[in-house]
Amino acid sequence: SAVISQKPSRDICQRGTSLTIQCQVDSQVTMMFWYRQQPGQSLTLIATANQGSEATYESGFVIDKFPISRPNLTFSTLTVSNMSPEDSSIYLCSADRDTDTQYFGPGTRLTVL
Amino acid sequence: GENVEQHPSTLSVQEGDSAVIKCTYSDSASNYFPWYKQELGKRPQLIIDIRSNVGEKKDQRIAVTLNKTAKHFSLHITETQPEDSAVYFCAAKTDGNKLVFGAGTILRVKS
Repeated sequence: SAVISQKPSRDICQRGTSLTIQCQVDSQVTMMFWYRQQPGQSLTLIATANQGSEATYESGFVIDKFPISRPNLTFSTLTVSNMSPEDSSIYLCSADRDTDTQYFGPGTRLTVL
Repeated sequence: GENVEQHPSTLSVQEGDSAVIKCTYSDSASNYFPWYKQELGKRPQLIIDIRSNVGEKKDQRIAVTLNKTAKHFSLHITETQPEDSAVYFCAAKTDGNKLVFGAGTILRVKS
């Protein structure tokens, strides 16, 4: 399995500001993903973080709102831009080592006031 | 794209009884089906998975069955214990190695 950490674990932000969430994996992985989990809901894929190229976004998510970086095979960041209260959610990263299995980070709980 | 439906949304069982959660998927090309357990405030944890070339897989009290023809798969937990209480998510892997999740099942095991 992969050990995945995220920073920050939680944050409270003012509307209109941006927050960058970091995801670190303990070993090199091919695939990294970012999900959103709204309170009491399932996981929704935001984008696939590609190393060396732009992220691939799912329908309903755009780069201007959720810019993603993947500078190497162990690290990725997700920025939530120009936040509104509707962005309050848990944001999770996951990693896949070419074995189909995805392991999740602990999540970042974001509250936007 | 892939769509995964999960039932029931909540399930209450008595300790020691069995629990069954069912999922259906729409994309016949999906070939990997994991199940995750998520306790309150924690990350989703993989508990068992199955690939499309296998019909059944078991790990102690947990088993998963897959019917490719009907495009459904199920999680079976036997001899349930209070610590099994959590939210369970099924998922299907589709193109681009993406996982599409079901809506989740809240399992309550009453002691």
